[in-house]
Amino acid sequence: DGGITQSPKYLFRKEGQNVTLSCEQNLNHDAMYWYRQDPGQGLRLIYYSQIVNDFQKGDIAEGYSVSREKKESFPLTVTSAQKNPTAFYLCASSSPGTNQPQHFGDGTRLSIL
Amino acid sequence: GENVEQHPSTLSVQEGDSAVIKCTYSDSASNYFPWYKQELGKRPQLIIDIRSNVGEKKDQRIAVTLNKTAKHFSLHITETQPEDSAVYFCAASMKTSYDKVIFGPGTSLSVIP
Repeated sequence: DGGITQSPKYLFRKEGQNVTLSCEQNLNHDAMYWYRQDPGQGLRLIYYSQIVNDFQKGDIAEGYSVSREKKESFPLTVTSAQKNPTAFYLCASSSPGTNQPQHFGDGTRLSIL
Repeated sequence: GENVEQHPSTLSVQEGDSAVIKCTYSDSASNYFPWYKQELGKRPQLIIDIRSNVGEKKDQRIAVTLNKTAKHFSLHITETQPEDSAVYFCAASMKTSYDKVIFGPGTSLSVIP
């Protein structure tokens, strides 16, 4: 779906460094999500936001932080506290209502230098 | 706890044959079951979904069946083509304060020409 843009596509983190992954959507969706994908595993939820200025921890929030200052934007910061950050990160959004499908961005691949 | 199992983890079929992927879920309150296709290095894309008020849904060569009593659902792809090669994820909704879905670990499908 061209309506969700993630950047950068590839990102490298040095030890002790915080990095921020960008996610922007123009689908007018209220809900946004961040997932982590590791090889051979499904998508695991890091954080989600149902509305501007509100967000909640998912299943693996430790070492990550988010903000939701605008409806269109939901950036994810991978902090130095995340000891194993190497993964593929996917942002998604969905429209209001129960059981609406989630639409994904192209992902950011984060690696440690 | 909340869990979605998916089998097989890898599947190879000859072009033109059918492919079947099976999933089971743990939360009896789940009522929404999407399927996503993810090509290498790309975003997951919704290919079909089913809600608990129906037992089967079909879209051209793709069909999904749902057995709520047994808590399992399956994806059927007929007349497979090389472009069907990808990783397929099933997912099931969870009854929480937001639209949470739990993803299965994925099935890597290879269609051999």
